[in-house]
Amino acid sequence: KNEVEQSPQNLTAQEGEFITINCSYSVGISALHWLQQHPGGGIVSLFMLSSGKKKHGRLIATINIQEKHSSLHITASHPRDSAVYICAVRNQGAQKLVFGQGTRLTINP
Amino acid sequence: EPEVTQTPSHQVTQMGQEVILRCVPISNHLYFYWYRQILGQKVEFLVSFYNNEISEKSEIFDDQFSVERPDGSNFTLKIRSTKLEDSAMYFCASREQLEQYFGPGTRLTVT
Repeated sequence: KNEVEQSPQNLTAQEGEFITINCSYSVGISALHWLQQHPGGGIVSLFMLSSGKKKHGRLIATINIQEKHSSLHITASHPRDSAVYICAVRNQGAQKLVFGQGTRLTINP
Repeated sequence: EPEVTQTPSHQVTQMGQEVILRCVPISNHLYFYWYRQILGQKVEFLVSFYNNEISEKSEIFDDQFSVERPDGSNFTLKIRSTKLEDSAMYFCASREQLEQYFGPGTRLTVT
């Protein structure tokens, strides 16, 4: 069973700040997802990683397979980035995703 | 851009009633999933479906739950006799390769 832990659970920052959200997991995986959930509840996939680093606009995701750790970074944060960010992993050979508890990010203007 | 759709967006039902939650996955996807999220809790896996059969299910997915792909486009989750604790947001997801695409969710409220 894979345990997925995120930190911090809550993060409040000022507009423009650099944001880092961390995710660690306990068992080897085939893929890690970063997801965004807005107050209405819908889930949007931001990244899927199996190694290295990906960048999309102001968002950067990295993964260290040996350390079983991933980070999501947001540069030049904006109030519209306020959401819950969720890390989810797919174990090797499995179909399902195992989710972290989410990090609630609030960016104040 | 193709997307996963779910209906209804909100369903209110009385305890003991049957509900069917509907999903239309992305058309060329072959793997389908249901997840749920109880208010304030993590998203939890319920079931995965491939090649017209369940490929994996969680302990939550007991005899009260069933899934079906009745035609080439819909993927449904049925709860036979709803309980108060079934109140949650239910998400459908589909994939072709490794990345899963999520629907907007159906909020189920059991009273």
